[in-house]
Amino acid sequence: GESVGLHLPTLSVQEGDNSIINCAYSNSASDYFIWYKQESGKGPQFIIDIRSNMDKRQGQRVTVLLNKTVKHLSLQIAATQPGDSAVYFCAETSTDSWGKLQFGAGTQVVVTP
Amino acid sequence: DTGVSQDPRHKITKRGQNVTFRCDPISEHNRLYWYRQTLGQGPEFLTYFQNEAQLEKSRLLSDRFSAERPKGSFSTLEIQRTEQGDSAMYLCASSPQGYTFGSGTRLTVV
Repeated sequence: GESVGLHLPTLSVQEGDNSIINCAYSNSASDYFIWYKQESGKGPQFIIDIRSNMDKRQGQRVTVLLNKTVKHLSLQIAATQPGDSAVYFCAETSTDSWGKLQFGAGTQVVVTP
Repeated sequence: DTGVSQDPRHKITKRGQNVTFRCDPISEHNRLYWYRQTLGQGPEFLTYFQNEAQLEKSRLLSDRFSAERPKGSFSTLEIQRTEQGDSAMYLCASSPQGYTFGSGTRLTVV
């Protein structure tokens, strides 16, 4: 079936460095993508989103890149901080799916001092 | 606007008992979603409401599960005759504005 997946289950990054989290998707009908951050015992927290008519979108310290040709999504976190330690999920949906999100398994980001 | 609220935060129940969870979405959000998340996995879609109408249900939602949104505001998710496999985090989300999630209800069936 079609799925959303992540390349790296765990990412260890030194404080102050940049982090890159990758995500592959296979549903060509998906036209809206979201990155979530989830801390232990909490619900997913919206970080940034991007629509399929865009290649790049920037937020505060975060950038999402979308490559529709290879069905690849990435999240870049600049100057990673200890508070960025969490599990990160990408999620996809399409306008004809009632906004139902399909998630991957997640990437654990560990920020080391 | 205080975000999506879920109650209770934690629930421990004995196998075979019924449980009910509540979700209060962001006010005036007409779309409400329930998801289930097991440890180490991403959330899995269960069901979707637009206002009071339940428009889609996942195959994960067996006949022991029922969800309602009677007045198009808060929603409840009931699990009857709970099984150990029902142990999970049950998440509620509302949209538009980026699919905001609540903190979830952690269910443990013993």
